[in-house]
Amino acid sequence: NAGVTQTPKFQVLKTGQSMTLQCAQDMNHNSMYWYRQDPGMGLRLIYYSASEGTTDKGEVPNGYNVSRLNKREFSLRLESAAPSQTSVYFCASSVGSNYGYTFGSGTRLTVV
Amino acid sequence: DAKTTQPTSMDCAEGRAANLPCNHSTISGNEYVYWYRQIHSQGPQYIIHGLKNNETNEMASLIITEDRKSSTLILPHATLRDTAVYYCIAVGSQGNLIFGKGTKLSVKP
Repeated sequence: NAGVTQTPKFQVLKTGQSMTLQCAQDMNHNSMYWYRQDPGMGLRLIYYSASEGTTDKGEVPNGYNVSRLNKREFSLRLESAAPSQTSVYFCASSVGSNYGYTFGSGTRLTVV
Repeated sequence: DAKTTQPTSMDCAEGRAANLPCNHSTISGNEYVYWYRQIHSQGPQYIIHGLKNNETNEMASLIITEDRKSSTLILPHATLRDTAVYYCIAVGSQGNLIFGKGTKLSVKP
């Protein structure tokens, strides 16, 4: 009964380093999403994948890339991390439009 | 930008009903109103959604005005565990959630 699993839960990077945040869902959902949340703010959409094989930009895509590896997995890559990317990153999935999202527990990323 | 406006914060006494308002005067006819909550720094949790009719589930009730310009989320018997930030979100056909800052609900003993 895992739902949406994100790894890692915590990460500290140095400026300029790269890393990939992993997300997997076991609910056979079609759509997957990546959000970031800065302190005291709501969530902002980075990228989404409406279905396997497709990805689209959200509100704040600059500095990120994504891969929908298969129906289960949707990864977020930071090629050259910057302090402005310090945030909590949430992955979510849904059956499709106008259905509720299930969120993961988040990855807390600090870039120093 | 979020198409909804909510009060920044609200208090509610434990055991009483919590009524959280949301204004969405500019949403279109095919946009659903969704409610999520975020407890501390956990991932947001889906509560309920509706289009025109009032909705009820095991967590809450959603009352949408006839003109669809506003809605109210009702937690019938608030507990301390309902303390959270509550987000009211209008979702169009593309289905992407656009979060605002939400309402911080504090349930007090």
